[in-house]
Amino acid sequence: KAGVTQTPRYLIKTRGQQVTLSCSPISGHRSVSWYQQTPGQGLQFLFEYFSETQRNKGNFPGRFSGRQFSNSRSEMNVSTLELGDSALYLCASSRQYSGGQETQYFGPGTRLLVL
Amino acid sequence: AQKVTQAQTEISVVEKEDVTLDCVYETRDTTYYLFWYKQPPSGELVFLIRRNSFDEQNEISGRYSWNFQKSTSSFNFTITASQVVDSAVYFCALSDPSNFGYALNFGKGTSLLVTP
Repeated sequence: KAGVTQTPRYLIKTRGQQVTLSCSPISGHRSVSWYQQTPGQGLQFLFEYFSETQRNKGNFPGRFSGRQFSNSRSEMNVSTLELGDSALYLCASSRQYSGGQETQYFGPGTRLLVL
Repeated sequence: AQKVTQAQTEISVVEKEDVTLDCVYETRDTTYYLFWYKQPPSGELVFLIRRNSFDEQNEISGRYSWNFQKSTSSFNFTITASQVVDSAVYFCALSDPSNFGYALNFGKGTSLLVTP
């Protein structure tokens, strides 16, 4: 079974631009979560989508948004990029049918550099 | 407040030595889950183990073993006879319902370097 895939793997943007990252979950997984990893803050939860609905959102400004499509693929968007948005963005998928906690499996990440 | 503490920032060992990575967690929930992930230089987080709060049995998988103790809120990870390929950053994570609906709350990670 193919793992979680993320595109692009690397991205360079300038301040003020916007960016869209894509994530394809493991086949059969319906929940997709996004995490940001920086040297200073570590791994932080951005948001989670399940059945095309945002179910949970972390403590990030509204510039960070996402969506999920009917095939469970997900995209996240960051508008008006700031230098501090430079990070590794990790996507994770899980079965997550209802409540409880299923194991989250991660993709290789998208490394974003904002200049 | 930090909910997962990995006090060891970096550990360096020589190949074939045993090494234990510590993880202490904090939660008020009675139902919660604990995880260990490995992050090699490539960046991908690789799932190693999951434990729920009702299962305190220790687990051994090859050279890896985990010691879960609710009394001390610890979930430690031991690598026996370490190998160079074990070099990576290891993250302990807690998932409980009070944290954004079971989102993973990660520790800061322990960087393990195994030298030949």
